[in-house]
Amino acid sequence: LAKTTQPISMDSYEGQEVNITCSHNNIATNDYITWYQQFPSQGPRFIIQGYKTKVTNEVASLFIPADRKSSTLSLPRVSLSDTAVYYCLVGPKAAGNKLTFGGGTRVLVKP
Amino acid sequence: EPEVTQTPSHQVTQMGQEVILRCVPISNHLYFYWYRQILGQKVEFLVSFYNNEISEKSEIFDDQFSVERPDGSNFTLKIRSTKLEDSAMYFCASRGSTSGGDGEQFFGPGTRLTVL
Repeated sequence: LAKTTQPISMDSYEGQEVNITCSHNNIATNDYITWYQQFPSQGPRFIIQGYKTKVTNEVASLFIPADRKSSTLSLPRVSLSDTAVYYCLVGPKAAGNKLTFGGGTRVLVKP
Repeated sequence: EPEVTQTPSHQVTQMGQEVILRCVPISNHLYFYWYRQILGQKVEFLVSFYNNEISEKSEIFDDQFSVERPDGSNFTLKIRSTKLEDSAMYFCASRGSTSGGDGEQFFGPGTRLTVL
């Protein structure tokens, strides 16, 4: 499994855009990049997944450069409720596959 | 929106006792998982379950642990003889089939297990 590296923590303010970059130098050809969000005392929640270029949904955007060795999760105009831990996961999309979580990035949104 | 549910939300037990953590996955899902998260640490995979059998398990999932899907709706994790170090938040997750979608795993709210 490709190892991922992401910042331990980030602070932001309400209304700002938050960008979290994840490094995954050993990503394999069949690996996808997936981001999950976890609020305190809750289970992780899927945010977005991509393979290459850019993916956008109603919550976030995911930017993946051509070499796929890193990716950036972008959260537009964050609010206090976006304070959470964000995990970057890299692995195959196959249904039975376990998720391997790293330490994640603790994002604190301040008023 | 369908969701994974878990009971109880908090379980307190004495060391050496057996506990059963219960989960009701999303009804049409086929793949089921248990993860745990010790306080302040990362989420760790325990076991995956498909077609009524374990498909993968981690080193944590030793002989003290077992899983079962007894009735087609519940998915349980049993810890036979709890240890202090089993204290953690236990998350159940489920996932649909391989075809289509992002293949995301849907997590339940967790059961906080405290072993005294």
